[in-house]
Amino acid sequence: SQTIHQWPATLVQPVGSPLSLECTVEGTSNPNLYWYRQAAGRGLQLLFYSVGIGQISSEVPQNLSASRPQDRQFILSSKKLLLSDSGFYLCAWSVRGTGFNYGYTFGSGTRLTVV
Amino acid sequence: QKEVEQNSGPLSVPEGAIASLNCTYSDRVSQSFFWYRQYSGKSPELIMSIYSNGDKEDGRFTAQLNKASQYVSLLIRDSQPSDSATYLCAVNYGFGNEKLTFGTGTRLTIIP
Repeated sequence: SQTIHQWPATLVQPVGSPLSLECTVEGTSNPNLYWYRQAAGRGLQLLFYSVGIGQISSEVPQNLSASRPQDRQFILSSKKLLLSDSGFYLCAWSVRGTGFNYGYTFGSGTRLTVV
Repeated sequence: QKEVEQNSGPLSVPEGAIASLNCTYSDRVSQSFFWYRQYSGKSPELIMSIYSNGDKEDGRFTAQLNKASQYVSLLIRDSQPSDSATYLCAVNYGFGNEKLTFGTGTRLTIIP
């Protein structure tokens, strides 16, 4: 069965510090991968998605970047965090390339607080 | 702007009653519709998917889709306190589009 791992679960970082969040998927190949952010009391905002190694699409201009160095690994990064980067970060995967969307499976999330 | 609209709630329902959650979407070219449940502090969990007009039942959950009216709903029968959560509606716009657009969610509270 497929599983998605995301870490760390919680993170408190000072303003201006770097960030690296990692997500890995097991039990499937060639997944679509996604990074979402959920601010307190807000909806899910798509940040990045990837359909393959090195292929990253950014949905909104921001202080963050993403990379996909391996097929089942997706990394979210920042060089200098802002207070506005606080939120609940969610990685998700879906089956790729069928022309039909069967929905996402989310990781357990990382709660980031920038202080 | 493709949107998914939900009433934010909170929606309070007595235990054992039927909870009805609604969602509207803005684009007729949509093919896949999903309901996610999110407990406080946790990640969303897929509970229902629906792809064609009509009803789809899975245990106590029924998803209803009406593409002509551009709405999708979720019914929860025999509501339990464990159903208390935020329910997110998600829509896949267009054929081959592998991104989902989420509503902001409806907070449901089941009153014992």
